[in-house]
Amino acid sequence: DARVTQTPRHKVTEMGQEVTMRCQPILGHNTVFWYRQTMMQGLELLAYFRNRAPLDDSGMPKDRFSAEMPDATLATLKIQPSEPRDSAVYFCASGLRAGVPGELFFGEGSRLTVL
Amino acid sequence: AQKVTQAQTEISVVEKEDVTLDCVYETRDTTYYLFWYKQPPSGELVFLIRRNSFDEQNEISGRYSWNFQKSTSSFNFTITASQVVDSAVYFCALSEADTNAGKSTFGDGTTLTVKP
Repeated sequence: DARVTQTPRHKVTEMGQEVTMRCQPILGHNTVFWYRQTMMQGLELLAYFRNRAPLDDSGMPKDRFSAEMPDATLATLKIQPSEPRDSAVYFCASGLRAGVPGELFFGEGSRLTVL
Repeated sequence: AQKVTQAQTEISVVEKEDVTLDCVYETRDTTYYLFWYKQPPSGELVFLIRRNSFDEQNEISGRYSWNFQKSTSSFNFTITASQVVDSAVYFCALSEADTNAGKSTFGDGTTLTVKP
């Protein structure tokens, strides 16, 4: 079964530390999304890419967050410096968009705790 | 701007009851796509269905059915004869058809608990 793979699954870090989350999208998918899930805000879109190009990162705090796709098999989300309010589950999702939006395939999420 | 509202935060039913999860959306696009996803306790969101704005036919898949009504901007999801395994958070989502966009806006989710 093709799956979206996210690492790490769990991360506990101290405030001020850099955190990097990685995502391997499903081979052949041309869109990649980063979502953040918290109890208070629900699912928030942070960034998304199509054909590795960033299309929208307006949901991301630019001063500390950055998202990249160095190649088609890897997407990264970096937080530097991390803060306690960044504690959340971060989901990566990939999909195939060929004219119309298709279903998204989600990874299992990276649960981040910033102390 | 797109918006998806799932007014029911939590629903609790007893096994074998039918349950309907509501979804109301807002969009200025004439062409759009609606989705339902299930998030079981394991955490991974799983796709359930996609409908486009031109297809208002209701759909049934086993115990699941979806009622799409453009007139009321609603895309409701019904589980018939619910089972404990249906316990999960269910998300409704809306996607633009614009080729430069395509991002999905999710509702806040409805937590369904099915008790034995």
